[in-house]
Amino acid sequence: AQSVTQLDSHVSVSEGTPVLLRCNYSSSYSPSLFWYVQHPNKGLQLLLKYTSAATLVKGINGFEAEFKKSETSFHLTKPSAHMSDAAEYFCVVSEEPGTGRRALTFGSGTRLQVQP
Amino acid sequence: DAGVTQSPTHLIKTRGQQVTLRCSPKSGHDTVSWYQQALGQGPQFIFQYYEEEERQRGNFPDRFSGHQYPNYSSELNVNALLLGDSALYLCASNRGQQFMNTEAFFGQGTRLTVV
Repeated sequence: AQSVTQLDSHVSVSEGTPVLLRCNYSSSYSPSLFWYVQHPNKGLQLLLKYTSAATLVKGINGFEAEFKKSETSFHLTKPSAHMSDAAEYFCVVSEEPGTGRRALTFGSGTRLQVQP
Repeated sequence: DAGVTQSPTHLIKTRGQQVTLRCSPKSGHDTVSWYQQALGQGPQFIFQYYEEEERQRGNFPDRFSGHQYPNYSSELNVNALLLGDSALYLCASNRGQQFMNTEAFFGQGTRLTVV
């Protein structure tokens, strides 16, 4: 079974400072991992995904994440926060062994606040 | 491209009633999945439809059922509504059923309130 743990429910940073949102996963297979962002009253948007290629994944809006198998982690980072980054962020895992099909399993979310 | 569209955007129902939510997938997508997002939580997988059949199901009771039409649009039906069914219901579509090579696109959701 797959699962995701987002280690912080709330993170507050100042504009222009680095962002770190932490995620640990559990998977029986080689997982695909994703980060999605959800702005108020908007749908979920994919930030980036890891699918067993490069362990450092670059996404949209300056976000990146590093897959660390030994630590079962997939933390999301951004060098400099912008006010528009304030939103809910979800770490997501999907297992697809062979031709199996798996749903997306979401973490509980991290609310990012950006202070001016 | 309109992306994934869901209707209605908001809905208020009474306990015991039945509700139908609708989803049109992004152009070119043939797989539709439904998720329930309770307040303050991450979305939880309800089920997935592909080729007009339910292919996977999450841990939801039989009160939750669905349908996919030949044009790939989908419906989520919930019978005998409970207060606990109040949530944001999200529809996601992608091409094929594997998430490794295709991105799942989400609609803005239907906010269901059961009173």
